[in-house]
Amino acid sequence: DSGVTQTPKHLITATGQRVTLRCSPRSGDLSVYWYQQSLDQGLQFLIQYYNGEERAKGNILERFSAQQFPDLHSELNLSSLELGDSALYFCASSGEGGTPVYEQYFGPGTRLTVT
Amino acid sequence: DQQVKQNSPSLSVQEGRISILNCDYTNSMFDYFLWYKKYPAEGPTFLISISSIKDKNEDGRFTVFLNKSAKHLSLHIVPSQPGDSAVYFCAAKRVRGGGADGLTFGKGTHLIIQP
Repeated sequence: DSGVTQTPKHLITATGQRVTLRCSPRSGDLSVYWYQQSLDQGLQFLIQYYNGEERAKGNILERFSAQQFPDLHSELNLSSLELGDSALYFCASSGEGGTPVYEQYFGPGTRLTVT
Repeated sequence: DQQVKQNSPSLSVQEGRISILNCDYTNSMFDYFLWYKKYPAEGPTFLISISSIKDKNEDGRFTVFLNKSAKHLSLHIVPSQPGDSAVYFCAAKRVRGGGADGLTFGKGTHLIIQP
């Protein structure tokens, strides 16, 4: 158990809809990262938040957004969903208490299916 | 353009023997490398990492070797055990000089340990 939790575990929705994925980092970790794993692209970095502020962006679509709240949990919002958004979405956290630790610890993921 | 490559999609090794998983990278700015292990329906689990100032790091049965001139790293597992059967991901990041903190992943190697 990495200490990172994600909800829901599975999500099935229709094209055009909007969903919210939730992540709670390990206790004390200030950084939260979101990744997408699809069959053809592998694990792709989407976005990072550090202590409530956006820190880095990867291959995140404009239809996707994220935020990190004062209690450090994070939400990834996916809107105008397309069939190609079906994937596993992972959250990871790092940096206990702000110490620069480079290892990232992953949650169990949310499997999103768009029909 | 794949910056981290794992050219063997799968590898079969007999129990008790050495497993060697390989990874190549193209981005010379990467200076920190990690290996993750992933079971089906779970998130990636951090295994071992290495900084570019070292050429070897060891943790129990796992050893990672880094050859900077060849832009190549490898993970050795000795001895291989049935529980090692999983998908192994190589990942890289740039630590010095800032930049995005997300990890860049290879597409993984499925390691199968045969009895």
